Amino acid sequence: EIVMTQSPVTLSVSPGERATLSCRASQNIRSNVAWYQQKPGQAPRLLIYAASTRATGIPGSFSGSGSGTEFTLTISSLQSEDFAVYYCQHYNNWPPLFIFGPGTRVDI
Amino acid sequence: EVQLVESGGDLVQPGGSLRLSCAASGFTFSSYALSWVRQAPGRGLEWISFISAGGDTTVYADSVKGRFTISRDNAKNSLYLQMTNLRDEDTAVYYCARAYYHDRSGYYVGGDYWGQGTLVTVSS
Repeated sequence: EIVMTQSPVTLSVSPGERATLSCRASQNIRSNVAWYQQKPGQAPRLLIYAASTRATGIPGSFSGSGSGTEFTLTISSLQSEDFAVYYCQHYNNWPPLFIFGPGTRVDI
Repeated sequence: EVQLVESGGDLVQPGGSLRLSCAASGFTFSSYALSWVRQAPGRGLEWISFISAGGDTTVYADSVKGRFTISRDNAKNSLYLQMTNLRDEDTAVYYCARAYYHDRSGYYVGGDYWGQGTLVTVSS
C-alpha cells in the first residue's frame, strides 16, 4: 500500500516570499500526483496534476515538480489568498484509487 | 457553471444508516465519473469511493468497503452514498467530486469540481 507523507506540517511564510512544499511517496508512483488547496470552510481546489500540469484557471505562481517518490509544490510569491492547507494526492490507474497526504498548512 | 450540491447529512447513532445525495448541474453528468471524499473534523482528506460514468464500476476504500454503497442515477443527474453500520469514526464532512480524466495518461487524476460538503455526525 502506498503511503503519502508531506513536510513540513506547517510552513510560516511572509507575503511575497516563496513557499516550497514537499511530498513523498512510499514507493515509485511515476508522475501520478495531484496537489490541492483547501481554505477553511471550503472544498478542496485542484491545483496541479501529473506532478507538474496546472489545472484550468490556476495562476502561474503555482508550479509542481518531481517524479518517482519525491514531489514539490512551489508558490513563487505568496499572496494573502494563498494561505491555506495544501494536500498532495496519488492516483492509481485501474481501479482508480486516490491516496491523500496529511497536508501542509501555509500560514503567515 | 458546474455545481455539485450534497445533502442528507445528519446526526445518527452508531450502527445506524444514512443516505447522502449529490445533485449535479452545469455539465453532462452521464459523461463523468465521480467520487466521494470525506474529512473528519480538523483532519485531512480521505477518498472513500469512486463510480464510473455509466455506473458499472465502483471502487471503495478499505475503511468503508462492505458498509457503504455508491450509486448514481444519470437520468436525475444525481450521485448517492448509502452508508450502513455507521461508526464514530465515520463522522466527517462528505464531499462529492467530479473525477477529472487526463486523456494523455488515461488516468483519473482526482476531483476537478467539488461540492461544499454535508456533515455526518455519528454519536449516541
